Amino acid sequence: EPEVTQTPSHQVTQMGQEVILRCVPISNHLYFYWYRQILGQKVEFLVSFYNNEISEKSEIFDDQFSVERPDGSNFTLKIRSTKLEDSAMYFCASRDTATNEKLFFGSGTQLSVL
Amino acid sequence: QKEVEQDPGPLSVPEGAIVSLNCTYSNSAFQYFMWYRQYSRKGPELLMYTYSSGNKEDGRFTAQVDKSSKYISLFIRDSQPSDSATYLCAMKGGFNKFYFGSGTKLNVKP
Repeated sequence: EPEVTQTPSHQVTQMGQEVILRCVPISNHLYFYWYRQILGQKVEFLVSFYNNEISEKSEIFDDQFSVERPDGSNFTLKIRSTKLEDSAMYFCASRDTATNEKLFFGSGTQLSVL
Repeated sequence: QKEVEQDPGPLSVPEGAIVSLNCTYSNSAFQYFMWYRQYSRKGPELLMYTYSSGNKEDGRFTAQVDKSSKYISLFIRDSQPSDSATYLCAMKGGFNKFYFGSGTKLNVKP
């Protein structure tokens, strides 16, 4: 069964460093998302991406965050200068067409900022 | 008022019990309603998906939507220890945005 894959599964970084989280959405999907979940808290929307541009973003997604689809398969989230409060599980998700509302998630990248 | 409200639990039941999980929401424009199951430190897994009001059944799981009350439910019959997880309700609003509840942690005791 097709699935969303994320790498790495765990990323440890120093405060102020840049990190790039990588995702390979399901191949025929057109809509891509990043969510995050701080331990014990709710899944929070960060950004949605369609047709090579951001379609919506949350207040969390400030200038330190960026997303990119560098080729036909990868979808990345970059945090330019990490803060302690960026420590969370980051989930990538995708869905196929505008009429299919089923959102599929990857297994996540646990980001730890020290 | 939050867009989606969900009792965080935890909810502890004996094996074989019927489980009822619920969410309320505030935005009457929501049309698509989903339930996800999330095991510890894993990504949410889509369980059930419904459009508008009514019931949908899949094996031991039944999803129910009452748009007039802005209330959705997930029922699990004959619950199993393997059902122990956090259950998230979600709904779609706007063009491309999904709203999640905070999740209800369920523990099914053998």
